[in-house]
Amino acid sequence: AQSVTQLGSHVSVSEGALVLLRCNYSSSVPPYLFWYVQYPNQGLQLLLKYTTGATLVKGINGFEAEFKKSETSFHLTKPSAHMSDAAEYFCAVSGINQAGTALIFGKGTTLSVSS
Amino acid sequence: NAGVTQTPKFQVLKTGQSMTLQCAQDMNHEYMSWYRQDPGMGLRLIHYSVGAGITDQGEVPNGYNVSRSTTEDFPLRLLSAAPSQTSVYFCASREQGNSGNTIYFGEGSWLTVV
Repeated sequence: AQSVTQLGSHVSVSEGALVLLRCNYSSSVPPYLFWYVQYPNQGLQLLLKYTTGATLVKGINGFEAEFKKSETSFHLTKPSAHMSDAAEYFCAVSGINQAGTALIFGKGTTLSVSS
Repeated sequence: NAGVTQTPKFQVLKTGQSMTLQCAQDMNHEYMSWYRQDPGMGLRLIHYSVGAGITDQGEVPNGYNVSRSTTEDFPLRLLSAAPSQTSVYFCASREQGNSGNTIYFGEGSWLTVV
């Protein structure tokens, strides 16, 4: 079974500041890990994902995340926040080699960016 | 590129009414699923399907039915709507065979039950 915990339901940063959104997972099998972004009144868009290979994953819009197995973490970062990054972000996990496995989501983190 | 298409986008129902949320995808994806999104709860899986004729329950299936007669379509039926089913519903699909494949989401259906 898999589960995801996102630490902090709301994160506020200033424009140009570092963005750090935290995600810890629990999985009984090696995980696949995802970050999705949701803008108001829209569906979810994939930011990045970790499947296998390099543990530092780069995504769209300047975001990246690092898979740390020892810490069971997959935190999302961006060096410099932009106003357009304001949105809700979801971390999700599924199980490797579990073809029918659904994506299990965290409860989300709302990112606010102030000027 | 239509992707995953959901209809209707907005719907208001009275308690006890039934309705069907439609979902269609044009990517020939075997795997399809329905989630509901509620404030502070993230997305919770209602039902999913790994191919035509095959469906299974997710985390919160009560009050909902699904069927999968074709690869393209995966409708979600509310049998007797309740205020607790007021939510935003998302349909999603991905290629089968590898749970690391990207899941693609529809734009959502906003449902209010009064």
